[in-house]
Amino acid sequence: QVQLQQSGPGLVKPSRTLSLTCAISGDSVSSNSVTWNWIRQSPSRGLEWLGRTYYRSKWYNDYAPSVESRITINPDTFKNQFSLQLTSVTLDDTAVYYCARISVAADDSFDIWGQGTLVTVSS
Amino acid sequence: SSELTQDPAVSVALGQTVRITCQGESFRSYYASWYQQKPGQAPVLVIHGKNSRPSGIPDRFSGSRSGNTASLTITGAQAEDEADYYCKSRDSSGNHYVFGIGTKVTVL
Repeated sequence: QVQLQQSGPGLVKPSRTLSLTCAISGDSVSSNSVTWNWIRQSPSRGLEWLGRTYYRSKWYNDYAPSVESRITINPDTFKNQFSLQLTSVTLDDTAVYYCARISVAADDSFDIWGQGTLVTVSS
Repeated sequence: SSELTQDPAVSVALGQTVRITCQGESFRSYYASWYQQKPGQAPVLVIHGKNSRPSGIPDRFSGSRSGNTASLTITGAQAEDEADYYCKSRDSSGNHYVFGIGTKVTVL
């Protein structure tokens, strides 16, 4: 079955860059029928979709307006994974971060989730 | 503020039926998907599309849509259904995703 395994530091200093990786097993980052997403959750913001990457003959990205100037999501076809980079973090970026898959077969729904990574922004 | 409106909390007696609603203009164009989240765990998809359940989700969970309101119904609630439930749709641009604030379901 499809599984997503997240990795990355749980503590980031203010103004630095948050970096997380999501390793995919049981599916391909280059699949034409899925998108690969990052979502975060905090008490103040609830569940917040951050952005996605996907392949449809070429690579595409979409980002949430709230983070568009600071976010990059990149696929890694060699390692079959995708990553999140969020620059210039502040205390407000403290949250649990999830990677998640959207499958065409699941009607545009997040059908597979990573285990979540608590990222704390603190000096 | 979220483009999707959910009641913060609802309670249901064991074995009874509860309906959780989510309001948003996007539902006139898109179906909701619904997620169950228990403390310390990642959300789990329970309903997608018109009314489809992923493998392993009990048939006591069902979904519907009317106008600008999407609903998740639990028929014969069990103790293990106590959780937070989130709806999801697209935003007004249609290019991004948004979630409701979540409804905490308590099974009495």
